[in-house]
Amino acid sequence: GENVEQHPSTLSVQEGDSAVIKCTYSDSASNYFPWYKQELGKGPQLIIDIRSNVGEKKDQRIAVTLNKTAKHFSLHITETQPEDSAVYFCAALNTGFQKLVFGTGTRLLVSP
Amino acid sequence: EPEVTQTPSHQVTQMGQEVILRCVPISNHLYFYWYRQILGQKVEFLVSFYNNEISEKSEIFDDQFSVERPDGSNFTLKIRSTKLEDSAMYFCASREAVYNEQFFGPGTRLTVL
Repeated sequence: GENVEQHPSTLSVQEGDSAVIKCTYSDSASNYFPWYKQELGKGPQLIIDIRSNVGEKKDQRIAVTLNKTAKHFSLHITETQPEDSAVYFCAALNTGFQKLVFGTGTRLLVSP
Repeated sequence: EPEVTQTPSHQVTQMGQEVILRCVPISNHLYFYWYRQILGQKVEFLVSFYNNEISEKSEIFDDQFSVERPDGSNFTLKIRSTKLEDSAMYFCASREAVYNEQFFGPGTRLTVL
């Protein structure tokens, strides 16, 4: 089955810096890759996603890139703000099965 | 903005007791899911449900677990005889028919003593 690895497990940046979180997946049949932000005591919130027919997608300060050949995808957050501090999870899904497989999470801390 | 809701937010139970976790998915969504997250670990898939039947389940989802859509709005997860290791956050999620995006509820924290 699918296995998703995520790095780093923790990431500390200064406000205004960029943050990059990387994930790799094992199943070449996976074709949908969402990113979720989880704040303390809350459920995962979808922040951006990418489908396998696209190499990059951007939404304001957030971007995701996908390399299907290498089976890895990354989340890029520019101009980080303290409110970006949270745990970020990547996930992979084979749309034939609709089961999200999550990475292990990255705790992002943005210091003012 | 429509959202997935879950009740209760926190459930404390004794080992061996039955619990029912409740979810109200987004109203026009047709696919429903349960995931769980043991403290400090990643979110794990439990079960998916479509057209009033289970479409996929994980190895975690054994005979002690069941799901039901008792009416047009609720989606429930029942654990028949809870174990200590069932202590976790349980998240309900739903999605529309056409799109892949799954939207998660705020979760129910289950504590088994």
